[in-house]
Amino acid sequence: DVKVTQSSRYLVKRTGEKVFLECVQDMDHENMFWYRQDPGLGLRLIYFSYDVKMKEKGDIPEGYSVSREKKERFSLILESASTNQTSMYLCASSFGRPEETQYFGPGTRLLVL
Amino acid sequence: LAKTTQPISMDSYEGQEVNITCSHNNIATNDYITWYQQFPSQGPRFIIQGYKTKVTNEVASLFIPADRKSSTLSLPRVSLSDTAVYYCLVGDETGGFKTIFGAGTRLFVKA
Repeated sequence: DVKVTQSSRYLVKRTGEKVFLECVQDMDHENMFWYRQDPGLGLRLIYFSYDVKMKEKGDIPEGYSVSREKKERFSLILESASTNQTSMYLCASSFGRPEETQYFGPGTRLLVL
Repeated sequence: LAKTTQPISMDSYEGQEVNITCSHNNIATNDYITWYQQFPSQGPRFIIQGYKTKVTNEVASLFIPADRKSSTLSLPRVSLSDTAVYYCLVGDETGGFKTIFGAGTRLFVKA
């Protein structure tokens, strides 16, 4: 079975802190994604990566950056957390083509105070 | 980007068939249509995918008319455990990865 793990299920940070969210997949997938999910808005794509050291902006990249140094790991970084970044963050991975199934992690619920 | 429209919510009773329709008027020629299911406090998981006509698996059926501007997810004989949010996705019309999940349809199955 494909397994996508995220470093924390719950996280509480203060405004202005630097926050790292880690995601690891064990299926040698080329693509990895970071989404945020807010009530009534569904999932919105923040960044994705289709190869090591490659990244592309999604729909809402402002305030975020990402890092993919190894194929199995994709990190989301909030350089200076703000209260409007309080959300559920979901990581996903998939094989090469865009229509391939995305496999999601359990999510990290981040609260920024 | 191709956009999908789904009902915000639906109610059903155990044992009934549930049909959730999604419209995607701007679907591109190469786009597939994919449905995901999400339970509370979990990430979405794949249910079914199709390109045209009808697709069936052990969980659901997907009906896609010839013009592909809409699709219908059919869940046969739902149970309480099918209570979840269902998302319809089509691809990024440029052939990229910017699929749009939208707000999904919240299905509530009652006893």
